[in-house]
Amino acid sequence: SQQGEEDPQALSIQEGENATMNCSYKTSINNLQWYRQNSGRGLVHLILIRSNEREKHSGRLRVTLDTSKKSSSLLITASRAADTASYFCATSGGSNYKLTFGKGTLLTVNP
Amino acid sequence: GAGVSQTPSNKVTEKGKYVELRCDPISGHTALYWYRQSLGQGPEFLIYFQGTGAADDSGLPNDRFFAVRPEGSVSTLKIQRTERGDSAVYLCASSSRDRGHTGELFFGEGSRLTVL
Repeated sequence: SQQGEEDPQALSIQEGENATMNCSYKTSINNLQWYRQNSGRGLVHLILIRSNEREKHSGRLRVTLDTSKKSSSLLITASRAADTASYFCATSGGSNYKLTFGKGTLLTVNP
Repeated sequence: GAGVSQTPSNKVTEKGKYVELRCDPISGHTALYWYRQSLGQGPEFLIYFQGTGAADDSGLPNDRFFAVRPEGSVSTLKIQRTERGDSAVYLCASSSRDRGHTGELFFGEGSRLTVL
């Protein structure tokens, strides 16, 4: 079963625009991570935010976490065509060693 | 190698056949995971190894699926009597974190299994 649900399922924007993807989850978590997957490739870790953190930045990425709403958002600023990929949120909960992934958001950045 | 290596990258087999998928994790990583990803879905957990032992195999769909990691490094996922529904990309990941600290997972490129 999948814990997180990303929203929207698909997003198409122009190069230079910002992209925002949301993730909702159901049970309490220890941390939440975002991964990127280019078509036909493996997943690449982007950023991790712990349950006691509210916001985190890494380069053009900004992640927020609202544990009261059980939701997170990933913002990619000044998007580039190379950002075109699927983005997944993944949560780590009570077991603490297992990540549970959502279904992902397919982001298309048009040049 | 520098990353997680999975072989074969593609495997086409016939219904009922036996398949082995191999994963070579990043050197020194004690934690190893197998996930399965169907088209348009996120990865779904299959099994987790800490060292040589399977610490959690709750994601294996049935007893046709089995995985081993005899020396605490390379792992093999074995699927008996394959069915068309087994068709998916099988992803392996490793982590340097020991049990109790889930951090970043490093994924391989996956093995795409097609059962005809």
